[in-house]
Amino acid sequence: SQKIEQNSEALNIQEGKTATLTCNYTNYSPAYLQWYRQDPGRGPVFLLLIRENEKEKRKERLKVTFDTTLKQSLFHITASQPADSATYLCALDADSSYKLIFGSGTRLLVRP
Amino acid sequence: NAGVTQTPKFQVLKTGQSMTLQCAQDMNHEYMSWYRQDPGMGLRLIHYSVGAGITDQGEVPNGYNVSRSTTEDFPLRLLSAAPSQTSVYFCASSYQGGDGAEAFFGQGTRLTVV
Repeated sequence: SQKIEQNSEALNIQEGKTATLTCNYTNYSPAYLQWYRQDPGRGPVFLLLIRENEKEKRKERLKVTFDTTLKQSLFHITASQPADSATYLCALDADSSYKLIFGSGTRLLVRP
Repeated sequence: NAGVTQTPKFQVLKTGQSMTLQCAQDMNHEYMSWYRQDPGMGLRLIHYSVGAGITDQGEVPNGYNVSRSTTEDFPLRLLSAAPSQTSVYFCASSYQGGDGAEAFFGQGTRLTVV
């Protein structure tokens, strides 16, 4: 069956450290993968997109990697801040049909 | 620029009642989707549309209907509400091009069926 898996346990880190979140998928061949941030009571907000032919993408303190052999994407936040505390969702297109399928998300807590 | 607007924000229904969740976007996006979000299960796709007059089912379509008569609007109808439909519903719109299919979400509708 097709699955997208993110660590369901919250990630708790100290301010200033690098947070690394993982997204694994099976039985998909996505043309791209996206990462979103969701705050409590709000809709998800787009952060980054990485295409299948890209190994790495950066935006300010954010970095995403995409390994289509391992079927895995890693999402890094460097120099983390308490304001980075949120749930982070990965999503990919199913069959290049513009249907976005989401993982269940990982909650990040950054301690001051 | 309003983006994606969902109404209502909160709703309580009795089992068996019907209602329509409204979604409108002002960005001229071709693609619109409805998701439901339940604790520990992430966002699950209910229905989606690739343009006016075209809709298709997602992962969990049973109990829901959609139509897309205009580019801007994509209402979600609950035919006969059940407690299992208690959830937070999100509407999203997206486009192809630029950074490719970035989805813009509404603020959500929290639905409780009693």
